[in-house]
Order: sequence, then structure tokens, then C-alpha cells
Amino acid sequence: EAQVTQNPRYLITVTGKKLTVTCSQNMNHEYMSWYRQDPGLGLRQIYYSMNVEATDKGDVPEGYKVSRKEKRNFPLILESPSPNQTSLYFCASSPYRTGGNYGYTFGSGTRLTVV
Amino acid sequence: DAKTTQPNSMESNEEEPVHLPCNHSTISGTDYIHWYRQLPSQGPEYVIHGLTSNVNNRMASLAIAEDRKSSTLILHRATLRDAAVYYCILSGTGANNLFFGTGTRLTVIP
Repeated sequence: EAQVTQNPRYLITVTGKKLTVTCSQNMNHEYMSWYRQDPGLGLRQIYYSMNVEATDKGDVPEGYKVSRKEKRNFPLILESPSPNQTSLYFCASSPYRTGGNYGYTFGSGTRLTVV
Repeated sequence: DAKTTQPNSMESNEEEPVHLPCNHSTISGTDYIHWYRQLPSQGPEYVIHGLTSNVNNRMASLAIAEDRKSSTLILHRATLRDAAVYYCILSGTGANNLFFGTGTRLTVIP
């Protein structure tokens, strides 16, 4: 089944403890992206990647890192999480580097709580 | 990025058609109109997209106004499973992002 898989689904952590949220897609998509969703603010893009070793900042990149060493994987790294990064995170992928005529496939989400 | 305007909420009776409107008066010639929906506790799900012509797929139909300044997502027979937040989004060729607004929360009444 074509899908985007995120892990973990739920995570509670303490301030300052490094964590990684994994994202993997099995559709050979070039484009991948991370979003966070907060009440009243909708979905906001954190980082995106056009292809392997090609990443760029989205609208809210502060406090996050990403890497794209393989086409299928796009992990989100929080080096020193803070409570304001408590949120619902979604990974998405799309067939090609340009938008417009291609739909995104989203993962099921990771609910992160930083205490 | 051009913006879209949707009603905050709508209701529909089960098994009746639903027409979800979207206004996008500042759409550019290269913007595609995308619709996504988000079911409770799930990630957004692609529904349909189009450029100029009306589009149909197994999930829904998309009716695009001739001047492209508005569009309507049509669910032909609403089911309880269709209760979700529906997002109308414009995406231009070369875009790196989808800008999600607040969407329309659809309630389906049994």
C-alpha cells in the first residue's frame, strides 16, 4: 500500500532532550515536507526537501533540523525541544519537485508533548 | 500566494449531496485548485484537484467557475465518514508548499 509512515504516533519528552521523528514513504516521491498543526493556526510548513541532499526552510523552521540522505526517508530532528514545540506534526510527500498538478500524501501524524 | 475563502462550517443530512464552496478571486493562471480533507485524528487526505475543467473521481467532483474565481467541491452522497474539515488550496506550478487555511468543518447528520 502506498503510504507515508511516521513514527512514533505519540511522544512525551522533557525539555532539552534530543529527539527524532521519522518519516518514510514507499512511493519513490521526490518531494517531502514537514508541517506542524496548532489550534487556530492551521498547518504550517517547517522544512521541505526537493530531493536527496536538497532541503530548505519552510515558514517555521526555528528549533528544527531535517536531513534527506535517502529518497524515502525525511527525519525531523529536535536538538533541544522546548514546550512551544508541543504540537501535532505531519510529514507529506509528492511525486515531483514542483507543486501544482500533484497531490500530497500525508502521514497519520505525531503528537508531541514537551514538558 | 493567492488566498481562498471558505465558510467555517456546514451541515448536511446523511445520503444527501453536499456542495462545499470556495472563493479564490485572486487566483493566477497557473494556480491549480486542490481540495483536501482532514478526518478527526488523522492527517490531511487528498480529495481532488483541477485547473480549468470540472473534474470527477471516486471521492468527489470539482466544479470550477468559468472565470476560475470560485469552485465547489461536490460530495454526491454524504456519509458519516465524510464528516471532516475540508480545505480548498491554491497551488501554483513550482510551489514548495500548500497553504492550509482554516477550512470548512462539515457535519453530517444521521
